[in-house]
Amino acid sequence: LAKTTQPISMDSYEGQEVNITCSHNNIATNDYITWYQQFPSQGPRFIIQGYKTKVTNEVASLFIPADRKSSTLSLPRVSLSDTAVYYCLPLSANDKLIFGTGTRLQVFP
Amino acid sequence: EPEVTQTPSHQVTQMGQEVILRCVPISNHLYFYWYRQILGQKVEFLVSFYNNEISEKSEIFDDQFSVERPDGSNFTLKIRSTKLEDSAMYFCASEWGEGFTVNSPLHFGNGTRLTVT
Repeated sequence: LAKTTQPISMDSYEGQEVNITCSHNNIATNDYITWYQQFPSQGPRFIIQGYKTKVTNEVASLFIPADRKSSTLSLPRVSLSDTAVYYCLPLSANDKLIFGTGTRLQVFP
Repeated sequence: EPEVTQTPSHQVTQMGQEVILRCVPISNHLYFYWYRQILGQKVEFLVSFYNNEISEKSEIFDDQFSVERPDGSNFTLKIRSTKLEDSAMYFCASEWGEGFTVNSPLHFGNGTRLTVT
C-alpha cells in the first residue's frame, strides 16, 4: 500500500498561491495521483489527477516530479471559499479507498 | 453536471432500530461505494459494489450492515440494529470505470448524517 504524508494544516491569505505537497514514496508504477477537497458536512469532491509532470484544470494545477515520489497541488489566488480539507490519494487497488487525515487549509481575509 | 444524491440528509434513530440510507448514483456509473466519517475523523471505506455483488468490504462492514441495488438506480445501505457508535456521516460514491485498478475518480454525494440516540 502506498502511504501518503501531507501537512496536517496550512494557513494562507486571500489572493495568495497555496502549494500542498504530498509524499508517496512507494507509489506503484501504474498508479495515478488524485486530489480531493472536502468542505464541512459535505462529501469529498474530486479536484484533479495526474500521472507525471504537470496537469492543470480550471481549479488547480498538479505537479509530479519524474520520480513520482511526491506531488504538489497548487491553488492559484485562493479565496475564503477554498478553506477546506485537501486529500492526496494514489489510485490503486485498496489505496484509493483509504483517505488519510488530509491537509486542513484555512484561508484568512 | 450529474451528481450523486443521497436521502435523507439527516436521520435520527434510536439504538437497536434498523435504518436504510439511500443513494442514487450517477446513471452510467458501474461501481458503487459507501464510506462513513465520524465527526472530526477520517473518511473510512465501508464497502464497494459491482455487478450486483460486494467487491470488497472493510472490517467496519460487519453482519449488521448490508447493501443492495434493488431497482437498477438506487443503492442502499442498511444497518440492522444501530448502535451509538454508528453515528456518523455516511457518504455514497460512484465511479464510471473498472473499479480499483482503473484511474477514474470517485464522485461522492453530500452524505446522510446519522444520529443514533
